[in-house]
Amino acid sequence: SQELEQSPQSLIVQEGKNLTINCTSSKTLYGLYWYKQKYGEGLIFLMMLQKGGEEKSHEKITAKLDEKKQQSSLHITASQPSHAGIYLCGAVRETSGSRLTFGEGTQLTVNP
Amino acid sequence: GAGVSQSPSNKVTEKGKDVELRCDPISGHTALYWYRQSLGQGLEFLIYFQGNSAPDKSGLPSDRFSAERTGGSVSTLTIQRTQQEDSAVYLCASSFTSGGWETQYFGPGTRLLVL
Repeated sequence: SQELEQSPQSLIVQEGKNLTINCTSSKTLYGLYWYKQKYGEGLIFLMMLQKGGEEKSHEKITAKLDEKKQQSSLHITASQPSHAGIYLCGAVRETSGSRLTFGEGTQLTVNP
Repeated sequence: GAGVSQSPSNKVTEKGKDVELRCDPISGHTALYWYRQSLGQGLEFLIYFQGNSAPDKSGLPSDRFSAERTGGSVSTLTIQRTQQEDSAVYLCASSFTSGGWETQYFGPGTRLLVL
């Protein structure tokens, strides 16, 4: 089983709709990162959440970290076609140094 | 060009050949990472450099894989005697630390296809 489970695996929404992507860890989180990837491109850094129930926002994207549930959620408000891509969560473990362990990703499609 | 760059962007090779993949990190970033992204396996860590040394090589899948970094900057990932299962996108990231936390910035990747 995956250390980081993302849900849903894929999501199709109409432009303007809100959506939420979840990332759940089976092990203790030390830090949680959200990245976005478009086909054929590298990962674009979105946000980093530190241990401690943090919440961050950037433009229409908000990410929260619930350390009790070992879970993070990424919420997009009023989605746009430019939000389409694969969203990946990555975790840092206290026992694995600074390398990131990634979830499988959530494929987001936003229909105009 | 302020971002991480990788070359080549695409590489097609025949089984058994050696390949070299290059990563140019963001200037001033002391840490550099290699990851591999393949269908069914997701994104996997390969190796991590701090300066020119590699304190964590635990993700390299076999002794056919090696990497080096020179001058605390450019890194090369070498795959010897390539196999079809080596086909994947190889991503490089470099990072800086701020406030005790590190952020990794990724390059566009090298798409490797082994025929």
